[in-house]
Amino acid sequence: DSGVTQTPKHLITATGQRVTLRCSPRSGDLSVYWYQQSLDQGLQFLIQYYNGEERAKGNILERFSAQQFPDLHSELNLSSLELGDSALYFCASSVGLDPSSHEQYFGPGTRLTVT
Amino acid sequence: AQKVTQAQTEISVVEKEDVTLDCVYETRDTTYYLFWYKQPPSGELVFLIRRNSFDEQNEISGRYSWNFQKSTSSFNFTITASQVVDSAVYFCALSEAPSGTYKYIFGTGTRLKVLA
Repeated sequence: DSGVTQTPKHLITATGQRVTLRCSPRSGDLSVYWYQQSLDQGLQFLIQYYNGEERAKGNILERFSAQQFPDLHSELNLSSLELGDSALYFCASSVGLDPSSHEQYFGPGTRLTVT
Repeated sequence: AQKVTQAQTEISVVEKEDVTLDCVYETRDTTYYLFWYKQPPSGELVFLIRRNSFDEQNEISGRYSWNFQKSTSSFNFTITASQVVDSAVYFCALSEAPSGTYKYIFGTGTRLKVLA
């Protein structure tokens, strides 16, 4: 158990809908990362927050947004869902920003199925 | 452009065989970090190792060893005397900060099947 929690574990929704995925980082970790893992795209870095502020953006669609709250939990919002958004969404956390000393710990993921 | 290539999609070995998982990366930065993660059937990614671009020393941790060669831009992972519990998808990843913030690029993963 990495200490990173994600809810829900599974989510099934229809095209055009909006969903929110939630992540609670490990105690003491200030940095949160979101990743999308799909069969055809592999593991894609989406976005990173550090202590409430956005710090890095990867291949995140404009239909997707995220935020990190004062209690450091983070939410990933996916809107106008398409079939291709079906994937496993991972959250990871680390103490700081610098990968030289802070590795990422991954949560169990949320499996999103868009029908 | 940054890129991580894991050319081996799937490898099957018999228990106790040694196996090497290949990872080739591309980067223009002189400072970068390389990682290996394991994703067992349960789904959660587990951190295995981090290596920075200035440290080319090979590392051994039990049955696991890593060979980092900047000359060939490779960071290969060897499991000695493989076990069924090693069956998983293994990801190689690169982190660099071309514009001051670190981003992470993952390879497509290599699925390792260790047969009893």
